[in-house]
Amino acid sequence: EVQLLESGGGLVQPGGSLRLSCAASGFTFSNYAMKWVRQAPGKGLEWVSGISAGGATYYADSVKGRFTISRDNSNNIVYLQMNSLRAEDTAVYYCAKLKGRNNIDYFDYWGQGALVSVSS
Amino acid sequence: DIVMTQSPDSLAVSLGERATINCKTSQSVLHSSNNQNYLAWYQQKPGQPPKMLLYWASTRESGVPDRISGSGSGTDFTLTISSLQAEDVAVYYCQHYYTFPVTFGQGTRLEIK
Repeated sequence: EVQLLESGGGLVQPGGSLRLSCAASGFTFSNYAMKWVRQAPGKGLEWVSGISAGGATYYADSVKGRFTISRDNSNNIVYLQMNSLRAEDTAVYYCAKLKGRNNIDYFDYWGQGALVSVSS
Repeated sequence: DIVMTQSPDSLAVSLGERATINCKTSQSVLHSSNNQNYLAWYQQKPGQPPKMLLYWASTRESGVPDRISGSGSGTDFTLTISSLQAEDVAVYYCQHYYTFPVTFGQGTRLEIK
């Protein structure tokens, strides 16, 4: 059974940093692309960042230069380092597995989400 | 970026009746190389993450009931629930995966009338 378990969310002041982790199990992690998708309170889904099976990384313009995605294939974890956080980054952040190896695909599994609140 | 526009924004349907949600893309997501539409549908129930329903516009994910179906091609797509059940109350999203970046529709809230 595929499981994705996010951790690392919380309350942070504007300008602060957080690192989200997503522990994956139930599939051969190194063979699949992974993404972070966020959902602001009461809003829709927004792709944030992705990493292919080969390690290529991609970012939405709204987070480029502030967020960094990485993966640890030895421990089946994908990370999202978030720096210079802004109030508009407040959202539930979902870790999601893509169907294939590359960043352009559909999402076949989602984690339960980690809440990030940016407020003073 | 491809813009995804869903209609309506919200919908109330009686139990047992048909529900229809539309998704329009700003450019075709039909790939000529394999004649596939690069479009997916997701269901998000309150307090839960999204769940994959359909890919290639009309292929059901394993475990999705056959009352849920997808149709359409090119730029116009439809999600249909043939006989609404109480457990179908959710927000539904379409997403293209035709090119970078993937984008989602704004969501359609489905409720019981």
